Amino acid sequence: DVKVTQSSRYLVKRTGEKVFLECVQDMDHENMFWYRQDPGLGLRLIYFSYDVKMKEKGDIPEGYSVSREKKERFSLILESASTNQTSMYLCASSLESPQEETQYFGPGTRLLVL
Amino acid sequence: AQSVSQHNHHVILSEAASLELGCNYSYGGTVNLFWYVQYPGQHLQLLLKYFSGDPLVKGIKGFEAEFIKSKFSFNLRKPSVQWSDTAEYFCAVHPGTASKLTFGTGTRLQVTL
Repeated sequence: DVKVTQSSRYLVKRTGEKVFLECVQDMDHENMFWYRQDPGLGLRLIYFSYDVKMKEKGDIPEGYSVSREKKERFSLILESASTNQTSMYLCASSLESPQEETQYFGPGTRLLVL
Repeated sequence: AQSVSQHNHHVILSEAASLELGCNYSYGGTVNLFWYVQYPGQHLQLLLKYFSGDPLVKGIKGFEAEFIKSKFSFNLRKPSVQWSDTAEYFCAVHPGTASKLTFGTGTRLQVTL
């Protein structure tokens, strides 16, 4: 079974703090994704990566950055956390294959910014 | 830009009732279509997917979905829901060319005993 893990289930941070969210997958997937999930808005893509050291902006990249130094690890960084970044953050991974775009999700990190 | 619409935001059904959740998308080319489910306190997981072939696809736990190209729809159905189907359901669309997945806003299903 594919396993996607996220470093924290719950985080509480203060406005202005730098926040790191870590995601690790164990199935050698090329693609990794970061979403935020908000009630009534569904999942919105923040950033994604198709390869090591490669990143592309999703639909809502403002206020976020990412890092992918190793294939299995994809980090989401909030340079200066703000209250409107309070949300559930989901990481996902998938194979690079036209016939297998199924994304596998981690358990999520619920971030509260005070 | 492509978009995905799920018109039912919150659905409440009694056990054994039939279910149909709507999903419409706005992309005109070849698409791959997905339904994901998130049970309370659990990971988002794949329920079923359509890539090509038979437009009626069957997934886990008795769910099925029908792709109707002319209506740009991929509705999810189950003939008889169970209390354990209480969850949030997300439709997602992926263009045939490599690109990102676009999710709908989700439908919260509550099944009462």
